[in-house]
Amino acid sequence: GAVVSQHPSWVICKSGTSVKIECRSLDFQATTMFWYRQFPKQSLMLMATSNEGSKATYEQGVEKDKFLINHASLTLSTLTVTSAHPEDSSFYICSARVLAGLYNEQFFGPGTRLTVL
Amino acid sequence: GENVEQHPSTLSVQEGDSAVIKCTYSDSASNYFPWYKQELGKRPQLIIDIRSNVGEKKDQRIAVTLNKTAKHFSLHITETQPEDSAVYFCAASIRAAGNKLTFGGGTRVLVKP
Repeated sequence: GAVVSQHPSWVICKSGTSVKIECRSLDFQATTMFWYRQFPKQSLMLMATSNEGSKATYEQGVEKDKFLINHASLTLSTLTVTSAHPEDSSFYICSARVLAGLYNEQFFGPGTRLTVL
Repeated sequence: GENVEQHPSTLSVQEGDSAVIKCTYSDSASNYFPWYKQELGKRPQLIIDIRSNVGEKKDQRIAVTLNKTAKHFSLHITETQPEDSAVYFCAASIRAAGNKLTFGGGTRVLVKP
């Protein structure tokens, strides 16, 4: 089956620093990847849609200058949380859509737990 | 945009009993409805999905039904086992809108042995 990895699995950083999270599709090509944020005991909220070779599409209320997304290849998308603050602490999960084949199905990465001190 | 409501938020059942989770969606253009199981600190795992051209789908102890007219879909788990305990999320997406998934609020299921 399709496998999506994320790195790092967890990260602790100081307030004001930037953190980069990588999302990779390991055995398939993904023109589209999605970034979600999940706070404790809450649902997944879509932050942005990452399209290979073009600008990401952000959901309403998500600051594009704070959450920088780069999708430089068909297997890699990165999310950079710039000038992180404690309220950015959350579980960040990416997903990837198969380029050709299964209709609509998305495969999720294992998530990255970000803690901002 | 799409809005997905999920009920109940918590569900406690006795081992062997059935569990039913219901979701409603707002956008009639939605055409794909997956269900995910998420264990604490883990990624969501797809357990079953249904497309808008199908009314029902079953996979062993799990089944999903879709009523497009009423815009609701349900997850049915029969013969529940303790390992079914987890948080379950329904979702809906519209292919024409880039396949973005809109998730329901989740149901925390506890199966008591």
